[in-house]
Amino acid sequence: EPEVTQTPSHQVTQMGQEVILRCVPISNHLYFYWYRQILGQKVEFLVSFYNNEISEKSEIFDDQFSVERPDGSNFTLKIRSTKLEDSAMYFCASSGGYTDTQYFGPGTRLTVL
Amino acid sequence: AQTVTQSQPEMSVQEAETVTLSCTYDTSENNYYLFWYKQPPSRQMILVIRQEAYKQQNATENRFSVNFQKAAKSFSLKISDSQLGDTAMYFCASPNRDDKIIFGKGTRLHILP
Repeated sequence: EPEVTQTPSHQVTQMGQEVILRCVPISNHLYFYWYRQILGQKVEFLVSFYNNEISEKSEIFDDQFSVERPDGSNFTLKIRSTKLEDSAMYFCASSGGYTDTQYFGPGTRLTVL
Repeated sequence: AQTVTQSQPEMSVQEAETVTLSCTYDTSENNYYLFWYKQPPSRQMILVIRQEAYKQQNATENRFSVNFQKAAKSFSLKISDSQLGDTAMYFCASPNRDDKIIFGKGTRLHILP
């Protein structure tokens, strides 16, 4: 069964450093998403991406964040200058259609020191 | 604004028992979807079950079923013959018109041996 994959599973970085979180969505999916979950809190939407551009973004997704689909398979989330409060689990998701079921990857645990 | 409310922060049941997790939501949409996701200790987000609002029949997936009450905006998850592997955080969720999934705060379910 096709699945969303994410790398790395755990990333530790120093405050102020740039990180890139990588995702490989399900191959025939067209809609891509990033969510984050701060430990002990609920999952929050960050951004959606379709047709090589951002469809929606939340207020969390400020200028420090960017997304890219550099090739036909990867979907990346970049945080330019990490802050302590960026420590969270980051989930990538993909779906085949608008408001269709979103399938989540296993997540990347980001720890900012 | 679309909201999803889970009023049970934590529940415990004995193995093999049946347990019901509650969820209420609010939406102005006529056509929408509802989901239950499971998040085990590994923190991966796993789709458990999906319900289309236009369908009157309650969705069922093996031991998991829902009680969807559209007029009451209620969407509860029933787990029959609960197993130790069902121990997890369970999130009720629904995509809004902007295709971002709105999650409830979750119910932490413990299955006791």
